[in-house]
Order: sequence, then C-alpha cells, then structure tokens
Amino acid sequence: SQQGEEDPQALSIQEGENATMNCSYKTSINNLQWYRQNSGRGLVHLILIRSNEREKHSGRLRVTLDTSKKSSSLLITASRAADTASYFCATDMDTGRRALTFGSGTRLQVQP
Amino acid sequence: DVKVTQSSRYLVKRTGEKVFLECVQDMDHENMFWYRQDPGLGLRLIYFSYDVKMKEKGDIPEGYSVSREKKERFSLILESASTNQTSMYLCASSSRQGTRPLHFGNGTRLTVT
Repeated sequence: SQQGEEDPQALSIQEGENATMNCSYKTSINNLQWYRQNSGRGLVHLILIRSNEREKHSGRLRVTLDTSKKSSSLLITASRAADTASYFCATDMDTGRRALTFGSGTRLQVQP
Repeated sequence: DVKVTQSSRYLVKRTGEKVFLECVQDMDHENMFWYRQDPGLGLRLIYFSYDVKMKEKGDIPEGYSVSREKKERFSLILESASTNQTSMYLCASSSRQGTRPLHFGNGTRLTVT
C-alpha cells in the first residue's frame, strides 16, 4: 500500500473557512513535502518540512509533523475559491530510496 | 523558473502499439522521474534516473522502459501498449542537491483502445 495516506479523501468547505488535511506514513523519513494539483495539470510544490522540524508556515499554509505518530497535517487558513485543487503529501524516506513516495491525495473544494 | 515539458497533453494509441512519452527539463537537473496517476491510487513511481544513461525501477515498472541519453531528456516507452496502461503520466525533475523538491510537467493523458 501507499507510504502516505491522506485523510479525508475529499473535503468541501466555504470560502473563508480553514481546511485541514492529514497525512500518515509508515517508515522513517528525511522530510515530508506537500504538493498541490489543479485539475488536469501537474503538481506544484508547496512546502517542505524536515524530520527534525515540528511546524512550518508559508503564507496561509501551516504544516505540522509528528514523527512519533508518523503523521503530518496541512492547514490552509482563510480559504479561497482558488484553493480548490487536490493536495498530496510525499515522503522522502530514510531508506536511501532516491524518489519521493506520494499518497493518494485530498480533493479540496472551496465554495465561493 | 524550472520548466518541465511533456511533448503531448493527450495521446490515443491502439493496443499493441509501441508508445513514446517524451519529457524535457531546462534546469540542468540530475534527477528525472516518471509517475503515473490513477484515481484513488495517487501517484505511483514507474522509473527514475539520477544521471545520464542511469535508471532505476520504481514501484510499477512492468510493461515500461525508459531512456536517458541526454541530461535534459527522459523518455518513457510502452513496449506494447495495453488498455490497463490508460492513465495520466507525469514527468518530474529535481536537483541532486539538498532536499530535492520535484518540478512537474503538465502531464500526458494516454488512452489505449
């Protein structure tokens, strides 16, 4: 099964509300990254958190990492209709594997 | 800005055809990757390359091969296309240095009939 599993699979909120997406993984990591994908397009890198960090901010994005629980969350504050997209977590595993492993994604719909 | 260009946005091929998907990046990245994306399964790694003429199998290499003759170009080859290879194919590149966030192309949606 996937290294990263996102929860929920789909999320629908109103503009202005906060959106929280969770990611769980199975093996030790060097870092965890979040990506965004607009419909029919490639993924865009949003933010990276290293294994020795607990929280990171970038604009309206806040990422937390709990390595003891092997989980991460992505919070988008004051969401906008333009935030509608799919969001993926990806892990850089501490196994020497040179490629990221992606989860199945959360589909976020922000209603105007 | 890094640009990763995939040669086709949409492709329709017949079962048994040999299919080439091309990807070019313009940032001198050492690493290049091919993922396929299917609903409910996320992105799955097919092959990746960390240098010219070097390649490593990902999680689902069966039915695929790759070629990296030049640093900027990474090709995915479907030796004999089958209907279960209908999917979105995403190419990505990254620097070998540091934390290596990926830069993606816009994808090729392949339909095999």
